[in-house]
Amino acid sequence: GAGVSQTPSNKVTEKGKYVELRCDPISGHTALYWYRQSLGQGPEFLIYFQGTGAADDSGLPNDRFFAVRPEGSVSTLKIQRTERGDSAVYLCASSLSAGSTGELFFGEGSRLTVL
Amino acid sequence: QQQVKQSPQSLIVQKGGIPIINCAYENTAFDYFPWYQQFPGKGPALLIAIRPDVSEKKEGRFTISFNKSAKQFSLHIMDSQPGDSATYFCAASSGGSARQLTFGSGTQLTVLP
Repeated sequence: GAGVSQTPSNKVTEKGKYVELRCDPISGHTALYWYRQSLGQGPEFLIYFQGTGAADDSGLPNDRFFAVRPEGSVSTLKIQRTERGDSAVYLCASSLSAGSTGELFFGEGSRLTVL
Repeated sequence: QQQVKQSPQSLIVQKGGIPIINCAYENTAFDYFPWYQQFPGKGPALLIAIRPDVSEKKEGRFTISFNKSAKQFSLHIMDSQPGDSATYFCAASSGGSARQLTFGSGTQLTVLP
């Protein structure tokens, strides 16, 4: 597809479970970002990748959150021991390069609900 | 110091009106200020962005006004249409790039027909 693709679009899980959220960026985009958007709030930065490496993970709230991008394309956000407070929409975005003001293209998000 | 404060929280205007959304920031290192538009169930989409070396930027019906000394910037939507009804977010980042955006809390705009 032409845009950023995120799967699943909706995920309902129980407290304490492990969750993986996947992001497939626009082809050719080297920079990939994860944001979290709670209800009625603006997106909150989590992490960004330039290529395969996490260039800045300062927004990850704690060590239950981890993200990988092993081949410099698809990324997976992993959340261990989920808590009810993790419920939010997780947004992925990509851009041509992180070092410029290239436009960020956001996906539609993965809505995570932790019961 | 990383916050971007946005107001109002919601705004209702008649078709053809000029809604104005305001944002203020504290971090003087911020040097890139984009505005995003988000429809329900969709991701944010870039509308327009400005750097602090200019005081105004216009793209189509959307205008950003920027006041560096006051550390404030605003979005004006000229001749607003019902299709403009959405949530609008201001954001800011440093280092001249969009790497780590700090978003405002959003303004829900409704344009009545």
